[in-house]
Formats: sequence, structure tokens, C-alpha cells
Amino acid sequence: DIQMTQSPSSLSASVGDTVTITCRASQSVISYLNWYQQKPGKAPKVLIYGASNLQSGAPSRFSGSGSGTDFTLTISSLQPEDFATYYCQQIRNTPWTFGQGTKVESK
Amino acid sequence: EVQLLESGGGLVQPGGSLRLSCAASGFTFSNYAMSWVRQAPGKGLEWVSAIGGAGAPTFYAVSVQGRFTISRDDSKNTLYLQMNSLRAEDTALYYCAKHQRTSGMPYFDYWGQGTLVTVSS
Repeated sequence: DIQMTQSPSSLSASVGDTVTITCRASQSVISYLNWYQQKPGKAPKVLIYGASNLQSGAPSRFSGSGSGTDFTLTISSLQPEDFATYYCQQIRNTPWTFGQGTKVESK
Repeated sequence: EVQLLESGGGLVQPGGSLRLSCAASGFTFSNYAMSWVRQAPGKGLEWVSAIGGAGAPTFYAVSVQGRFTISRDDSKNTLYLQMNSLRAEDTALYYCAKHQRTSGMPYFDYWGQGTLVTVSS
């Protein structure tokens, strides 16, 4: 199985900050890497697919980069509605594994 | 509007069985692969199983292989997950998710709100 490791597991930030979350795969997933946002009590929502493609309707302050084994989700100018948990997911090989999540909290 | 509505969760004893359903609407169900993803209380996301359009192929996580069976009834726009030999570690909120593929890149573009399965004596 491909293991996905996110860092950090949690972070504290303020509105207006730029936030960076990293995701590392145990082997290459090429660009088959997605990012989801989950708020408490809600289902996940896709933000980024194919490592760097912004999902329709997702705010442009979200961006993704990387390929192979190392990926980054960046939130530029953090907004109050962005405090949530973020998951990466590789969909290169089954089982389609998720990272353990990164919780973005208010400082 | 795409809607996915899960049902069938509940409290079951270890070793018992449950069948989850996911009723889909707002899209041509038969054209899309579907997955089940679960989330144990306070934990992260775990992909469980997937099924292609027209019912094939199917895929399973190792943790459920041989115990869970995914299926679909395209005439009813419904996805199923038959869960047998349930264990305490299967306790989770179970989501169904619709697959999408854009520019060759697959992802889950819609999710239901989940149905809770609790395995306990």
C-alpha cells in the first residue's frame, strides 16, 4: 500500500496568513493526488485534484503543487471559513489512501 | 443537484451484519464509479471499497476484503455495502462518494452525509 504522510498534523494560524501543508507519498503517485477539506460534522469536499487543479467552485486562494512523492497545499490569505481539517489522497493505486489529516486552527 | 443519501447504519453486535444503502440523484448514476469511505470517531478518512459503472470492477481495502461486498442497482440509482463479520474496529461513519474524472485525473466530487455504524456488544 502507498502510505501518505501529512505535516504538520495541526497548526495554528491567523486570518490573512499564508498556510502550507505538505503531503509525502511512500512511492510515486505521479500527479494522482487530491486535497479535501472537512469541517466538523460535515462531509469532505474536494479542493484540488490532479495535484494542482482547482476544483470548480473552490476559492482561488487554495493552490496545490508537486508531483511524484512530494506535494503541497497552500492557502493564501487564510479566511475564517478555512479553519478545518485537510486531507491528501492518492488515487494512483488501490487502496486509495488518505493522509492522516492536518487540522488548521485559529491562533 | 447531485444528492447522495446513505442509510442502513445502526448498532450491531460483533460478528453481525448490516447492509448500507446510498440513494443517488441529480446525475446519471450508471455512468459513474462510486466508493465507500469511512471515518472512525475522531479519526481520519479511510477508503473502503469502490465499484465501477455497470458494476465492475470492484476494489476493497485489505481491512474489509472478504467481509464486505460492494454492489449497485443502476435501475434504482442505489449503491450498497454488505458488511458481514463486523468487528469493533469497523465502527465508523460511512460515506458514499461519487467519482469524477477530469483531464484524466480521478477524484471524489460529491459525498453523502454519512451513516453511522456502531459495532458493540
